[in-house]
Amino acid sequence: SQQGEEDPQALSIQEGENATMNCSYKTSINNLQWYRQNSGRGLVHLILIRSNEREKHSGRLRVTLDTSKKSSSLLITASRAADTASYFCATALYNNAGNMLTFGGGTRLMVKP
Amino acid sequence: EAQVTQNPRYLITVTGKKLTVTCSQNMNHEYMSWYRQDPGLGLRQIYYSMNVEVTDKGDVPEGYKVSRKEKRNFPLILESPSPNQTSLYFCASSLSPGPYNEQFFGPGTRLTVL
Repeated sequence: SQQGEEDPQALSIQEGENATMNCSYKTSINNLQWYRQNSGRGLVHLILIRSNEREKHSGRLRVTLDTSKKSSSLLITASRAADTASYFCATALYNNAGNMLTFGGGTRLMVKP
Repeated sequence: EAQVTQNPRYLITVTGKKLTVTCSQNMNHEYMSWYRQDPGLGLRQIYYSMNVEVTDKGDVPEGYKVSRKEKRNFPLILESPSPNQTSLYFCASSLSPGPYNEQFFGPGTRLTVL
């Protein structure tokens, strides 16, 4: 079963607006990662936030993590048409059962020029 | 250039015909893994490898085999492909022996099993 669930599944905004995507997960994690995927292509890592961090920034990206609610959000400020892509959260677990990275179903973002 | 390569990029085959999808990375990464991506299901991990000769099952290992004889290569083997294995496959690698750093993804292999 999927560990991460993104919300919304699809988001359409105008260029210049902010885009917020949310991710919820079910179990304790070591870290949470966000990836971007352009249609049919490989995923590109955006940002990683560890379980003891609450907020992280990278350029126009801002990620928050609330481990008590088992949720994370990705904010893209001042969006551009080139930000159109699918965005995935992935949770990394570290336990005796293994070392897996589990992805959510993704949010499809469309930024209209 | 640091990268993960996969071959082939596209493959159409028939049920039962054994195939191998190769994955290679030139970054001296410890951790490598295979995912499949299906509409509505996101990416699901098939197998992963913490290091040479160390492999473990992911979420959906049935019908797949892997090997890690060398650090740079992590081939995915379908001994007897079936139509439900039609999917987009991604190989990924990361520096540390676990998913604790960013994953570098290959460009994907689109497999169709008739």
